[in-house]
Amino acid sequence: AQSVAQPEDQVNVAEGNPLTVKCTYSVSGNPYLFWYVQYPNRGLQFLLKYITGDNLVKGSYGFEAEFNKSQTSFHLKKPSALVSDSALYFCAVRDPNYGQNFVFGPGTRLSVLP
Amino acid sequence: DVKVTQSSRYLVKRTGEKVFLECVQDMDHENMFWYRQDPGLGLRLIYFSYDVKMKEKGDIPEGYSVSREKKERFSLILESASTNQTSMYLCASSTGQRSPLHFGNGTRLTVT
Repeated sequence: AQSVAQPEDQVNVAEGNPLTVKCTYSVSGNPYLFWYVQYPNRGLQFLLKYITGDNLVKGSYGFEAEFNKSQTSFHLKKPSALVSDSALYFCAVRDPNYGQNFVFGPGTRLSVLP
Repeated sequence: DVKVTQSSRYLVKRTGEKVFLECVQDMDHENMFWYRQDPGLGLRLIYFSYDVKMKEKGDIPEGYSVSREKKERFSLILESASTNQTSMYLCASSTGQRSPLHFGNGTRLTVT
């Protein structure tokens, strides 16, 4: 069975500091991994994905994520946080052996303090 | 850009009513999905469809049904609304396993 964990409900960081939002996953095969962001009263927006290849993937708004197969992790990072990055972040996994479904983590609320 | 449009942003319905949530996408995507979002639970899949007139149950299909008569439209139906169906409902579409989901802005449903 597929599962995704985001061990932190809330992450607080000062503006200008680096940020990390953690994600670990469990799938039977090679995963497809995604990060999404949700602003208040909006749907989710796609940030970046890992399918294959380079373990470091770059996405929208200066975000990047590192795929670590041995630790089954896919942490989201940004070198310098902005107040406007404050939002709810979701990690999601798709196991290509199990069709079209995505499994989402519970979400991490990021607050960037000015 | 892909656009996924949900017909209502906010709905208030009474217990026992039949409720229709409509979703339309404009990018000819094969796959469409309905999720509900609740605090601390993330997104949970209700139903998805990979083609016209095709549907598959997700993790929490009880109390819901769906309809996909045209490729661009995917409707979620609450046969008899109950208070535990008060939630944010998100529609999404995608094409292919390697592609991300594209979400609508959501419908916040309150059942009283």
